[in-house]
Amino acid sequence: DGGITQSPKYLFRKEGQNVTLSCEQNLNHDAMYWYRQDPGQGLRLIYYSQIVNDFQKGDIAEGYSVSREKKESFPLTVTSAQKNPTAFYLCASSIDRGYTEAFFGQGTRLTVV
Amino acid sequence: AQSVTQLDSQVPVFEEAPVELRCNYSSSVSVYLFWYVQYPNQGLQLLLKYLSGSTLVKGINGFEAEFNKSQTSFHLRKPSVHISDTAEYFCAVTYSSPGSSNTGKLIFGQGTTLQVKP
Repeated sequence: DGGITQSPKYLFRKEGQNVTLSCEQNLNHDAMYWYRQDPGQGLRLIYYSQIVNDFQKGDIAEGYSVSREKKESFPLTVTSAQKNPTAFYLCASSIDRGYTEAFFGQGTRLTVV
Repeated sequence: AQSVTQLDSQVPVFEEAPVELRCNYSSSVSVYLFWYVQYPNQGLQLLLKYLSGSTLVKGINGFEAEFNKSQTSFHLRKPSVHISDTAEYFCAVTYSSPGSSNTGKLIFGQGTTLQVKP
């Protein structure tokens, strides 16, 4: 079945450690996105990529990094510079930058202790 | 700047009653509009979308929404809700102007929690 796979579903890390969240899609979509979700704040865009080997910062990119070496993969690294990393992270993709419809993964809940 | 406002953070309603979830957006250019649903600890699922054409859009699970350009609104409605409709609902907007630096960025509202009671 085609779709977006995020792993792991739950992730625990100690404060000060970097952690990488995986996002893989087999929809052959050009564009991929990372969102952060906090209660009462909706979804905020962290990074997005419209083509392989290219990506742009979203509204809250500080403390995060990404790579897009393959069309199907868009991993997100939460670095120790992110001051409040505990959140629900959602990956999405769309056919192209026209963004007529986005497909979402099931999310990764990151808890930093 | 483009923004989306969902006017109610929580909407309690009894089963089989009608419901309306309100969404307003601010934009001076053409937009695409979306409603998504999220069940606990899940990703988002598209309910419906407005790209162009008829202002009344029908989606999955019996939901519909009406695009009102003069009021910059895109309210979601369902004539009779079920317990299974209990979830969080997000309104989202993106630019439809080619060449805009914001094209391709989906802007979300804060979400509305629909609580359907028996």
